[in-house]
Amino acid sequence: SAVISQKPSRDICQRGTSLTIQCQVDSQVTMMFWYRQQPGQSLTLIATANQGSEATYESGFVIDKFPISRPNLTFSTLTVSNMSPEDSSIYLCSVELRDNEQFFGPGTRLTVL
Amino acid sequence: KQEVTQIPAALSVPEGENLVLNCSFTDSAIYNLQWFRQDPGKGLTSLLLIQSSQREQTSGRLNASLDKSSGRSTLYIAASQPGDSATYLCAAGGSRLTFGEGTQLTVNP
Repeated sequence: SAVISQKPSRDICQRGTSLTIQCQVDSQVTMMFWYRQQPGQSLTLIATANQGSEATYESGFVIDKFPISRPNLTFSTLTVSNMSPEDSSIYLCSVELRDNEQFFGPGTRLTVL
Repeated sequence: KQEVTQIPAALSVPEGENLVLNCSFTDSAIYNLQWFRQDPGKGLTSLLLIQSSQREQTSGRLNASLDKSSGRSTLYIAASQPGDSATYLCAAGGSRLTFGEGTQLTVNP
């Protein structure tokens, strides 16, 4: 498995501001992913973060709203831009290891007022 | 577009009971199916991964099966314990996972 940490663990933000979430892995991985879990719902994939190239976004998610960086094989950031209360969710990063098995970080709980 | 459904949405059982959680998916062209556990306010813990060429995987009291032709997977939990209380999620796909809504399990002492 992998040890994955996220910062911050939680935050309360004002609408219109932006928050950058960090994801750190204890080993080099090719594939990293960002998911959103809205209150009472399951997880939805936002984007795949590839090192050395632009992130690949899923339908309904755009780079202007959720810019992603992947500067190396152990680190990625997700920014939630121009936040509104509808962005209140848990944001989780995951990594893919051998045999396509995914492991998740502890999540960042975001509340937008 | 892949859709994943989990039944039941919630389940409450007495301690010691054997139970089955169900997961169905619409697109059988998957690379694998993964079962996770999520405790309240926490991230996801990987329980079992079944690759598309496999029929089942076992880990301790957990056994997961996969039937690609019918688009179904089951998670069997033997001799349930109060510590098993959590939300169980299945996810189908390859690298890009599609998650079900989860089954919220409560095991009563």
